[in-house]
Amino acid sequence: DAGVIQSPRHEVTEMGQEVTLRCKPISGHDYLFWYRQTMMRGLELLIYFNNNVPIDDSGMPEDRFSAKMPNASFSTLKIQPSEPRDSAVYFCASSLGLAGGSYEQYFGPGTRLTVT
Amino acid sequence: QQQVKQSPQSLIVQKGGISIINCAYENTAFDYFPWYQQFPGKGPALLIAIRPDVSEKKEGRFTISFNKSAKQFSLHIMDSQPGDSATYFCAASRGGGYQKVTFGTGTKLQVIP
Repeated sequence: DAGVIQSPRHEVTEMGQEVTLRCKPISGHDYLFWYRQTMMRGLELLIYFNNNVPIDDSGMPEDRFSAKMPNASFSTLKIQPSEPRDSAVYFCASSLGLAGGSYEQYFGPGTRLTVT
Repeated sequence: QQQVKQSPQSLIVQKGGISIINCAYENTAFDYFPWYQQFPGKGPALLIAIRPDVSEKKEGRFTISFNKSAKQFSLHIMDSQPGDSATYFCAASRGGGYQKVTFGTGTKLQVIP
């Protein structure tokens, strides 16, 4: 398996623009997570899905952020409008879940977002 | 109560030495404690994990020590190597099918020759 795939790897955008980050989880994994990593706040869980259904979005910072998982092999994280403070590395991760006997999360390579 | 506190923030160890990273938690419902390793430009990857029914788990040069009464756990890297230079995150989860993992703030380890 290719692992978790994220695109784009780097995104530079201007304040006010819409940004869409994409993730393809590992095939067969039931859980998908979106994280944000910054020097100041470390690794923060934004939202996670189970079988394409959002389970916990309490980490989504504000209404400018939205996430969808239309099917088992694709998820998006959208920021509209983007602000400079959104600059961070965004990670997608997936896991088999308890049914698979594991809590291990497999992280993608991340998308480095810079908002100017 | 959901926090996991990690220290130190950074650590420099000589090659062959022992690296020790400490974590503490408050939520007694946590019952799964993984450590993730992250190299620059990469996503974190699971290194080793422990459940509170054991006090120690060893995998190669990496050992987790767990003290349930003190609500503390630590990662020991024996015979540290330059290739171990990375950021290490401790984490905790409630388990029981609850997949949300709370991460510590990370420790940047540098192993110098």
